[in-house]
Amino acid sequence: NAGVTQTPKFQVLKTGQSMTLQCAQDMNHNSMYWYRQDPGMGLRLIYYSASEGTTDKGEVPNGYNVSRLNKREFSLRLESAAPSQTSVYFCASSEAVGGVAYGYTFGSGTRLTVV
Amino acid sequence: AQKITQTQPGMFVQEKEAVTLDCTYDTSDPSYGLFWYKQPSSGEMIFLIYQGSYDQQNATEGRYSLNFQKARKSANLVISASQLGDSAMYFCAMREGWDSNYQLIWGAGTKLIIKP
Repeated sequence: NAGVTQTPKFQVLKTGQSMTLQCAQDMNHNSMYWYRQDPGMGLRLIYYSASEGTTDKGEVPNGYNVSRLNKREFSLRLESAAPSQTSVYFCASSEAVGGVAYGYTFGSGTRLTVV
Repeated sequence: AQKITQTQPGMFVQEKEAVTLDCTYDTSDPSYGLFWYKQPSSGEMIFLIYQGSYDQQNATEGRYSLNFQKARKSANLVISASQLGDSAMYFCAMREGWDSNYQLIWGAGTKLIIKP
């Protein structure tokens, strides 16, 4: 099925460990995003990539790095995990029509717990 | 200041009744888009409806409609004839401007529970 695929779906890390969340989309979208969702809050943007070869910080980038490997793939890396990074992570992609992004497609999420 | 405000943390509604979920927004950009997403307990984010700031008509998608009141900066979601499967979290989100930064700004959400 076309869409956004995230792996893994669940992960438990110890404080200080590193990991990479993988995301791939097969809709030929230019823009990709990483969001985190914390209880009682809306999604907050961590990093985004408006097009292949570019990445920019969002609202909460500290403690994360990203790589836009190619047009399809956008990974999120936690170099030294902290309990404050316990959250649900969503990858999303979007395409602009006439310069306007109408539709955002989300992956199914990664539930990360840092102990 | 909050850019997207959803004032109803939770709502209980009887099945088959209509539901209105509130959303107010704050932007000085004349070009923006407003989105509603549904997040069931399974966790995925499901796109429901979109309204552009220059759209003259209120958006509709099946049982979903968006009551867009531009002067009041409100974009309420209306669900007609609610169903048990409508029980979920609902998020309002906004995209400001037309540039390459197409990120969405999100409200905190409303938890809707449909009672049989």
